[in-house]
Amino acid sequence: DAGITQSPRHKVTETGTPVTLRCHQTENHRYMYWYRQDPGHGLRLIHYSYGVKDTDKGEVSDGYSVSRSKTEDFLLTLESATSSQTSVYFCAISEVGLGYTFGSGTRLTVV
Amino acid sequence: QKEVEQNSGPLSVPEGAIASLNCTYSDRGSQSFFWYRQYSGKSPELIMSIYSNGDKEDGRFTAQLNKASQYVSLLIRDSQPSDSATYLCAAKYSGAGSYQLTFGKGTKLSVIP
Repeated sequence: DAGITQSPRHKVTETGTPVTLRCHQTENHRYMYWYRQDPGHGLRLIHYSYGVKDTDKGEVSDGYSVSRSKTEDFLLTLESATSSQTSVYFCAISEVGLGYTFGSGTRLTVV
Repeated sequence: QKEVEQNSGPLSVPEGAIASLNCTYSDRGSQSFFWYRQYSGKSPELIMSIYSNGDKEDGRFTAQLNKASQYVSLLIRDSQPSDSATYLCAAKYSGAGSYQLTFGKGTKLSVIP
């Protein structure tokens, strides 16, 4: 996944703890997205950003917040992790007229 | 509600055959369409994009778009076992938030040697 990296790749955390996932890009793309992917639900948009400090909610934003203080970084925070947030999280980047490029994903387990 | 629908499969085809994957979308204002391939445990990878009615070919892959029927398809010719993956269809809708993609749940393809 050249140009976009996610960290960590795997994480196990306890219910009720805050968790932050990081997405870093070197492509200087304007748009960044956080999706979660679950069996039977496909990819669902959590939050997205259309510029530095410009973010908005997706269809499954409850319990999540995001920040984008620099073009290259988009952070996803689970304020108080719950078992229902166990999932694979993908970051993606894009520019106008283009499809997405996805990061390698973060597998999060909340126990 | 903007939706993209795909048959979840699994779709099984013999090696060397043509695999046909289909997708319908709900919003007639959709402008751009994309096909992604996702191997198990990996991230989605863009393989085709299509913006105009008709066919678009790239190697063994052909994407077809029919906006009147709100239908998108992907044909894979000379299917190989390495094509076994889940294929995701995505649509970019017009209007506010038009930089977002809505994804179908994917069709799992299995190419049998």
